[in-house]
Amino acid sequence: DTGVSQDPRHKITKRGQNVTFRCDPISEHNRLYWYRQTLGQGPEFLTYFQNEAQLEKSRLLSDRFSAERPKGSFSTLEIQRTEQGDSAMYLCASSFGLAGSSYEQYFGPGTRLTVT
Amino acid sequence: RKEVEQDPGPFNVPEGATVAFNCTYSNSASQSFFWYRQDCRKEPKLLMSVYSSGNEDGRFTAQLNRASQYISLLIRDSKLSDSATYLCVVATSGGSYIPTFGRGTSLIVHP
Repeated sequence: DTGVSQDPRHKITKRGQNVTFRCDPISEHNRLYWYRQTLGQGPEFLTYFQNEAQLEKSRLLSDRFSAERPKGSFSTLEIQRTEQGDSAMYLCASSFGLAGSSYEQYFGPGTRLTVT
Repeated sequence: RKEVEQDPGPFNVPEGATVAFNCTYSNSASQSFFWYRQDCRKEPKLLMSVYSSGNEDGRFTAQLNRASQYISLLIRDSKLSDSATYLCVVATSGGSYIPTFGRGTSLIVHP
């Protein structure tokens, strides 16, 4: 399967713990996005990479959240000192894009985070 | 006002019906438009891009109205398998490309 993969698929953690999620995009895609989705809402943009550069970060993203894409391939999203409000589905998507152009995004299956 | 607005529904229609969804957007500089489909507890999947001239893919037709800042999705001859949430996506191209999703419209097709 050459689609977007995410690991783990489910994570249950206690409040205050740190968690890290991984996303492996489609290999030829240079753009990688992280979203958060809660029940009844559409995916909410968190951050975006073009190759290894983090180009945008949502104003809604607290400093407890950090993302990396060190070699322009896979990416990690870390949440420090988790809170119950962080419980959500964390989705990763990838696409191919050039300056001034845009292409469709392909999503991974998501990581469902539950903070108890 | 939200950047992308959709009627959450649900739209409850019988098999064979034609159903239409609208999605309005607030940023007049938006340049890219898509419809995604999301099944319960699954990831969103691209249904179709929306082009200025409109486009059709089988039973699905997407239209863009830039003057009124909305896009639409028409589904003809609804099937039970069309039951899902339909997400509208709008993005502004340029230096950064950040897609904004609507909250989705729920469609239930019943026998």
